[in-house]
Amino acid sequence: SQQGEEDPQALSIQEGENATMNCSYKTSINNLQWYRQNSGRGLVHLILIRSNEREKHSGRLRVTLDTSKKSSSLLITASRAADTASYFCATGLTGANSKLTFGKGITLSVRP
Amino acid sequence: DVKVTQSSRYLVKRTGEKVFLECVQDMDHENMFWYRQDPGLGLRLIYFSYDVKMKEKGDIPEGYSVSREKKERFSLILESASTNQTSMYLCASSAQGRDTQYFGPGTRLTVL
Repeated sequence: SQQGEEDPQALSIQEGENATMNCSYKTSINNLQWYRQNSGRGLVHLILIRSNEREKHSGRLRVTLDTSKKSSSLLITASRAADTASYFCATGLTGANSKLTFGKGITLSVRP
Repeated sequence: DVKVTQSSRYLVKRTGEKVFLECVQDMDHENMFWYRQDPGLGLRLIYFSYDVKMKEKGDIPEGYSVSREKKERFSLILESASTNQTSMYLCASSAQGRDTQYFGPGTRLTVL
């Protein structure tokens, strides 16, 4: 069964605006990750946050994790046309041997 | 940089054919994974391997088998391809004890 569910399914913004994407999950996790996928390509790892962390930053990316609500959000600040891609959250479960469960993804379009 | 390569970007096969998809990683990773990606369903884990000659079923193993004879190579086998196996196939690897996965570019398989 799918662990992570992203919201919204699609997001369209103007270049320079911030993009916020959300992910909810159902069971206890060890870590939560966000990946990006450009059209027709493989996934690229963006950022990982562990269950004992609340917020992490990497460049223009900010991810938060609320384990009480079983949710995470990914914020991309000052978006660029090159940020246009699909974004996936993935959850790693305790004792799952490095397996990840991916959500269905969010399609982000950044208009120039 | 970690590099994960897949044998073909695009592949067209006929129903009933035996199909081999190969994945090679160059970072000495212990864990390797095969996913399929379908619109609206996200990524689903087919099989994974955490050591040479070791394999475990993922969420949708039916109709597939795998082989891992060498650490760097993980093969996905479709014993008798069917049209419902038309999909994008993604290979990934990760180091033991590490949660980040590194993906190949994907193979878009069409079964006619």
